[in-house]
Amino acid sequence: GQNIDQPTEMTATEGAIVQINCTYQTSGFNGLFWYQQHAGEAPTFLSYNVLDGLEEKGRFSSFLSRSKGYSYLLLKELQMKDSASYLCAALDSNYQLIWGAGTKLIIKP
Amino acid sequence: KAGVTQTPRYLIKTRGQQVTLSCSPISGHRSVSWYQQTPGQGLQFLFEYFSETQRNKGNFPGRFSGRQFSNSRSEMNVSTLELGDSALYLCASSRQGRGTDTQYFGPGTRLTVL
Repeated sequence: GQNIDQPTEMTATEGAIVQINCTYQTSGFNGLFWYQQHAGEAPTFLSYNVLDGLEEKGRFSSFLSRSKGYSYLLLKELQMKDSASYLCAALDSNYQLIWGAGTKLIIKP
Repeated sequence: KAGVTQTPRYLIKTRGQQVTLSCSPISGHRSVSWYQQTPGQGLQFLFEYFSETQRNKGNFPGRFSGRQFSNSRSEMNVSTLELGDSALYLCASSRQGRGTDTQYFGPGTRLTVL
């Protein structure tokens, strides 16, 4: 079956760095998305990786290893507004998104 | 550019009733996907519509149905509601709905079934 695993909840301190991991098992693979979802709001797009390696976008970076079925989202210089759920989703061979349950990130002052 | 809108934002229904949710995509987007989100389950894909045709369908019972109109607006219908249908229903639009198209989500409709 197809599966996405990510931690349920993580806690970090304002100003610090946090890495949110995601492992996937899908029938074929056409890329991996990260979305951010604040409580009570719609998910918003953060990144898309299809090639191995690290892609940096300001304070956020996303990494992919296709051979390991693994990705992570790295958040630097954490701010209180980064408190949100982070959703990992893999695109399978049929170009259907398989979603993880999300990681709730709690930022403490 | 206006974002994806969903109506209503909140709904309370009782078991056995039916409900219709509406989604208006971003102008120019022809694909609309529907998802069910419950705590701990993540987003579960319901179906995708493109140019008024259902192009993809998830593993939900036939009580869940949808349609898309010529202006790309979409509706989702759930008949004979069950307690387990209580969830946040999200719709997402994209230009073509294929592969790497970024999906833009609406704020969702929170359905509570009593």
